[in-house]
Amino acid sequence: ETGVTQSPTHLIKTRGQQVTLRCSSQSGHNTVSWYQQALGQGPQFIFQYYREEENGRGNFPPRFSGLQFPNYSSELNVNALELDDSALYLCASSLVTGYGYTFGSGTRLTVV
Amino acid sequence: AQSVTQPDIHITVSEGASLELRCNYSYGATPYLFWYVQSPGQGLQLLLKYFSGDTLVQGIKGFEAEFKRSQSSFNLRKPSVHWSDAAEYFCAVGAEYAGTASKLTFGTGTRLQVTL
Repeated sequence: ETGVTQSPTHLIKTRGQQVTLRCSSQSGHNTVSWYQQALGQGPQFIFQYYREEENGRGNFPPRFSGLQFPNYSSELNVNALELDDSALYLCASSLVTGYGYTFGSGTRLTVV
Repeated sequence: AQSVTQPDIHITVSEGASLELRCNYSYGATPYLFWYVQSPGQGLQLLLKYFSGDTLVQGIKGFEAEFKRSQSSFNLRKPSVHWSDAAEYFCAVGAEYAGTASKLTFGTGTRLQVTL
């Protein structure tokens, strides 16, 4: 069984730019969530997708958006990057809208 | 709203010694509780989870945790620590909301250092 894979592993962007992060869910998982982990902090919930629709969002502005595709892969898009967006972005998938999430290794985003 | 407190930011133990990492949660209903481990620059690996039933939960790598509702705690334990256990440990509480959505709320983590 495949795990959750994320790409790229590292990324450097300039303030004001846009970025797209990608996630391939574990086989058979139909729910995907994205988390932001700032340095020295625990992960914070950004949003969740189930059957290609966003069905939950944390305390993040609309410039954070996402997509889930029919094959359950997912994207996180961030517009108008700010320096504080520098963080590790984690994707997590699960079988149902529930628990037992499997996390990917993350994408380290640095905004300069 | 749910919250998780991990009171110990950094813990150092000797290899072979026992370990207990503390976790306190706040949640209005029956919580779903998790412990994850994160090595430097890596993602999160699930150690164990509690949904219901037996309050003593066994996990991978020899870890266990005990759910104590009266104390709102879910402490992680290991009888004998190995040098490879050095990592960051996160406690999390899971919650359903908006009917179908769910999310994990994490603590700020405890960094475990193991001395030889």
